Amino acid sequence: QKEVEQNSGPLSVPEGAIASLNCTYSDRGSQSFFWYRQYSGKSPELIMFIYSNGDKEDGRFTAQLNKASQYVSLLIRDSQPSDSATYLCAVNPRNGGYNKLIFGAGTRLAVHP
Amino acid sequence: GAGVSQSPSNKVTEKGKDVELRCDPISGHTALYWYRQSLGQGLEFLIYFQGNSAPDKSGLPSDRFSAERTGGSVSTLTIQRTQQEDSAVYLCASSLEPGGSEKLFFGSGTQLSVL
Repeated sequence: QKEVEQNSGPLSVPEGAIASLNCTYSDRGSQSFFWYRQYSGKSPELIMFIYSNGDKEDGRFTAQLNKASQYVSLLIRDSQPSDSATYLCAVNPRNGGYNKLIFGAGTRLAVHP
Repeated sequence: GAGVSQSPSNKVTEKGKDVELRCDPISGHTALYWYRQSLGQGLEFLIYFQGNSAPDKSGLPSDRFSAERTGGSVSTLTIQRTQQEDSAVYLCASSLEPGGSEKLFFGSGTQLSVL
């Protein structure tokens, strides 16, 4: 079992719809969770992080964390073609300390007009 | 500079040659990380620096890989006797503090191709 698992996609959604990206992790002690966006040929860019169970909203993005079920998700409302990218879920399994992130392989999102 | 700078952006080498990849982190960032991303894969942790020391080298795949950091700033990742399976994008990231939730800023990476 991979430490961080994501559906590789592609996830195809129409413009204006909600895109839902999911991620599960294996280390129950993990404390912090991140979503990175990576455009083709570019470096990853942090878009959201979450530490506590529940929802965290930032503009069109909402991160959801459920530690009991060991999953974290990212919702993108009003999806735009510019949101088309690969979304990487990352987990820090350490309780404090440095940011040794474990990344999933990413979900490719395609938003079509 | 304003961001994490990596050089070269692309490196093509022959199997068996040594390569050096350079990372210049954001000024003042004490923590520096090297990751590797193979085609279609997620990022794989290689090594973490705090200042000039590397308390976690657990991700280095073999003893052909080594890294150093000098002056608490620039880091060099060296791959000796390169193999085709070393072909990947090597990403460097830095953060202000080593805290477990600190935002990592990634460089644009070095695309390494071993022929």
